[in-house]
Amino acid sequence: EDQVTQSPEALRLQEGESSSLNCSYTVSGLRGLFWYRQDPGKGPEFLFTLYSAGEEKEKERLKATLTKKESFLHITAPKPEDSATYLCAVQARGSNYKLTFGKGTLLTVNP
Amino acid sequence: NAGVTQTPKFQVLKTGQSMTLQCAQDMNHNSMYWYRQDPGMGLRLIYYSASEGTTDKGEVPNGYNVSRLNKREFSLRLESAAPSQTSVYFCASSEAGGQGSDTQYFGPGTRLTVL
Repeated sequence: EDQVTQSPEALRLQEGESSSLNCSYTVSGLRGLFWYRQDPGKGPEFLFTLYSAGEEKEKERLKATLTKKESFLHITAPKPEDSATYLCAVQARGSNYKLTFGKGTLLTVNP
Repeated sequence: NAGVTQTPKFQVLKTGQSMTLQCAQDMNHNSMYWYRQDPGMGLRLIYYSASEGTTDKGEVPNGYNVSRLNKREFSLRLESAAPSQTSVYFCASSEAGGQGSDTQYFGPGTRLTVL
């Protein structure tokens, strides 16, 4: 059974204070690992897909990295508008493209 | 493009009532999905449709039925609502097919309360 564990459950940062969110996973053959951002009362918004260990992707203050067992979402010099819940999900080979989600990390960035 | 749209945005039901949640996508995607999101539980797959004309159970299908009406539309029906079905429901769609992975795009959600 595919499993995704995200840590910490909640993270509070000061504006400009860089940090990382963790996503640990077990999957029977990784097709892709996905990061989403979810604002309160909204649907998840796609951020990144990572396919293989060693891969990195960046978007503004966010950088996602992947190893064989975990992924990190690094947030550099965050701003209050980066406050959201960040969701990690895995897609296994032969899964008919289904996603297994973690429970998310609630990030709060204080001005 | 509107992407994935869902109706209604909010709904309150009494126990035993029935209702249908509607979802439509305008991205010509092959696959569509229904999830529920509960506090502390994350997103859980209810049903999915890998392609037009097919539907399959996900992780938590009990108490729900689905219909893939055509390529654009995928509805979720609660025949006899229970308080345990109080949740936020999200529809998603993806292109699917091919050798690579496949990104799902989500709608804005329907917030359902069952009294």
